[in-house]
Amino acid sequence: DAKTTQPPSMDCAEGRAANLPCNHSTISGNEYVYWYRQIHSQGPQYIIHGLKNNETNEMASLIITEDRKSSTLILPHATLRDTAVYYCIVRSVNNDMRFGAGTRLTVKP
Amino acid sequence: EAEVAQSPRYKITEKSQAVAFWCDPISGHATLYWYRQILGQGPELLVQFQDESVVDDSQLPKDRFSAERLKGVDSTLKIQPAELGDSAMYLCASSPVGGRARNEQFFGPGTRLTVL
Repeated sequence: DAKTTQPPSMDCAEGRAANLPCNHSTISGNEYVYWYRQIHSQGPQYIIHGLKNNETNEMASLIITEDRKSSTLILPHATLRDTAVYYCIVRSVNNDMRFGAGTRLTVKP
Repeated sequence: EAEVAQSPRYKITEKSQAVAFWCDPISGHATLYWYRQILGQGPELLVQFQDESVVDDSQLPKDRFSAERLKGVDSTLKIQPAELGDSAMYLCASSPVGGRARNEQFFGPGTRLTVL
């Protein structure tokens, strides 16, 4: 599976959009981009995934560049409860999930 | 909403002792995963089951760790003997085989193990 690179930490003001970047320059054609988050002392929670088209759900939007070498997770209106570690993962459907260290997002009032 | 159940939530043990963790996946989920998460790191897959069969245990330290899912429903992860380096969060996750949700893994709250 392709490796990902994420900044170790980011801050965001409450109510503003949080834009979390992820680089995955070695992604293969059959690999999806997944985002999970882990709030302190809880198990990871699925957010969104995509292959090459941008995706949106009730939690977030996922923007994937045309060359698929990077993506951005957007939380449109961050709240204090969005403070968590966000993991960007690339994998093909039948391969295991390989988590990196993720980005620690702190939403500040 | 259905959830993955794990017990105990916390476990403190002395090195050389045996410990066991239990996981009950979401009903109907055929795939079950055990992960280990060391503080400050992302989860690392230990073992994956499809029904009662092990699909991947390449990262499971088999000299001391064992996992089973005898009836293809709930699962037990055992460590014997525990070592100081085993202190971590042990997470269980499950996913269905088919449908759109097969892309998503549902995680339990985890068991935090401390080995003294």
